[in-house]
Parts: sequence; C-alpha cells; structure tokens
Amino acid sequence: QQPVQSPQAVILREGEDAVINCSSSKALYSVHWYRQKHGEAPVFLMILLKGGEQKGHDKISASFNEKKQQSSLYLTASQLSYSGTYFCGTVLGGSNYKLTFGKGTLLTVNP
Amino acid sequence: NAGVTQTPKFQVLKTGQSMTLQCAQDMNHNSMYWYRQDPGMGLRLIYYSASEGTTDKGEVPNGYNVSRLNKREFSLRLESAAPSQTSVYFCASSELQGARQPQHFGDGTRLSIL
Repeated sequence: QQPVQSPQAVILREGEDAVINCSSSKALYSVHWYRQKHGEAPVFLMILLKGGEQKGHDKISASFNEKKQQSSLYLTASQLSYSGTYFCGTVLGGSNYKLTFGKGTLLTVNP
Repeated sequence: NAGVTQTPKFQVLKTGQSMTLQCAQDMNHNSMYWYRQDPGMGLRLIYYSASEGTTDKGEVPNGYNVSRLNKREFSLRLESAAPSQTSVYFCASSELQGARQPQHFGDGTRLSIL
C-alpha cells in the first residue's frame, strides 16, 4: 500500500517554511523520510516509530500521528540546500518490515 | 569509506539482451535491497535480502532475478531486457531488516533499453 504524499510540489523563497504530509490507509509501524537531489541517491533524514513521536534534525523536523496514520515533515527557515525531492517510506505493522515509498514531493527553494 | 557502490553507472541495452547490475557495500550490513525509480512513481522494491543466504520478492519482481553472492554483494539480473525495464536502479543496504533501520543508497545505475 503506497503512502500518499502531499503536496506533489512546492516552491518557496529562502527563509520560508514548508510542510510535507504522508498518509496511509493502513496502520503504520514506522515512517522514514529521505531527500533526493536531482541525479543523486536518496539520503536518509529520520525515522519515526509508532507512539506519536517527534524528531528534529537541525531545522527539519517531523511528527507521526498514530491516530491519523499520518506523518508530517516540517522545514523551517528553508535554505537553498533544502531543494530536492522528499520521499516518505512506510512500514506497516506485521509487514515483514518492507519499506514502501510514496511518490515524492518536489521542493524548490529560490533565492 | 565508499558505502554502497553500484556498477555500471550507465548502460544501454537492446531488447532481449541480458545484463547483471552489481552492488557492493562495505558497512558490514546484513540486509540489502534493489529498487527501481521511474518518473512520478517513487522508489519501488524489486527484491531484497534480509541476510546472507536469503532473498525475497518485493513489489515488482517480474523480469528480474537476484543473487546474494556474499555478505557484501547483491546482484540484479535482467535475463531478457524489455523497454518497460528502462529505469534508474538503486541498491541500498541496512544494518538489519527492520522498521527502525535507515537504508543507505548507492548512486544508481541508469539503464536504457531500446
């Protein structure tokens, strides 16, 4: 079951904030977030486990709402280096731990 | 520290040709994965190997075979390439297979089938 990401694309000016959402119709065990710059490999950002935790990584943080089966990635005071495609990956409870990725959100930060 | 190394980086094949994509990791990870990435589709799991000596199908295994040669190496074979297999292929590894395990990706192999 592929998670649904929204929005599909977002354009920001440097210093603005953005939120990227990742939703599942099934019960989740964990949510992973990765960033991929054009022509490069995806790079791991963070993992959130069920239990509704929040994690932070510099000015990029995320939350996991177990009731809604949804995770949100927060990018604050965006920098040019934040540009790229953000993917969430979900692991379902009892799924043999296979990671299923969403289709991605293209984030463009302009000067 | 190279991490995950994929070869080749680019390849063009004719329909019906065979090809093996190579992947090696130097992080002593137990689990390895092959994904394909197509525009607008995200990353889709082809096959994975939870540990040395085991392999299992992912979401899109048809037309592919894999071999976990040893703990470091995991290869992906296309026996009879088809244009629908034109894609970017990523290999990844993680310390263990599990919901808490980050995956580390190689730089990808860009494969075109004419």
